[in-house]
Amino acid sequence: NAGVTQTPKFQVLKTGQSMTLQCAQDMNHEYMSWYRQDPGMGLRLIHYSVGAGITDQGEVPNGYNVSRSTTEDFPLRLLSAAPSQTSVYFCASSASGTGSEQYFGPGTRLTVT
Amino acid sequence: KQEVTQIPAALSVPEGENLVLNCSFTDSAIYNLQWFRQDPGKGLTSLLLIQSSQREQTSGRLNASLDKSSGRSTLYIAASQPGDSATYLCAVRGIQGAQKLVFGQGTRLTINP
Repeated sequence: NAGVTQTPKFQVLKTGQSMTLQCAQDMNHEYMSWYRQDPGMGLRLIHYSVGAGITDQGEVPNGYNVSRSTTEDFPLRLLSAAPSQTSVYFCASSASGTGSEQYFGPGTRLTVT
Repeated sequence: KQEVTQIPAALSVPEGENLVLNCSFTDSAIYNLQWFRQDPGKGLTSLLLIQSSQREQTSGRLNASLDKSSGRSTLYIAASQPGDSATYLCAVRGIQGAQKLVFGQGTRLTINP
């Protein structure tokens, strides 16, 4: 049972490039989400999904896109990277949205130059 | 808007001491509160989840309490060890905006041998 996995661990992008951060979980969790962690700002929700085919925006969704075609996978796409998107990105999952324990992946450290 | 505060921001204690980390939140209408540990450059590890109907939860040397009416939670660590050194984060899932966890800024704990 690997839990929540994320790839890549590190990434450097140039401004304007696009990329996809991968997230997968093997716990059959319905609820998945993406957070970014920035110094002084804490962790903030980007997008979330309550099940395959259902996604919605969090606090800071601009510049990011998500889709959820399977229960296991929840990729995060950066459409046109900007220096303001330099951050550490965490994927999380839980069995349900409100009462369940949230599990986090190891993170992806992204630098946009 | 829910706000979560953790005081102090940093704490340094000698090995073997019992210690208490504090977390306060502004809106008592919550589903649950979760304590996490984060090691430098790593993801978040879930320590304890307390549902709004519970007063406390225990796991090994850790005990978390919840006083929903006063908007407070504490994490008690018994017989601290150098391996407990990490940043400890508390996060609240509010009834309003239940899709996200609202995080505090964390307490950076150092246990000195």
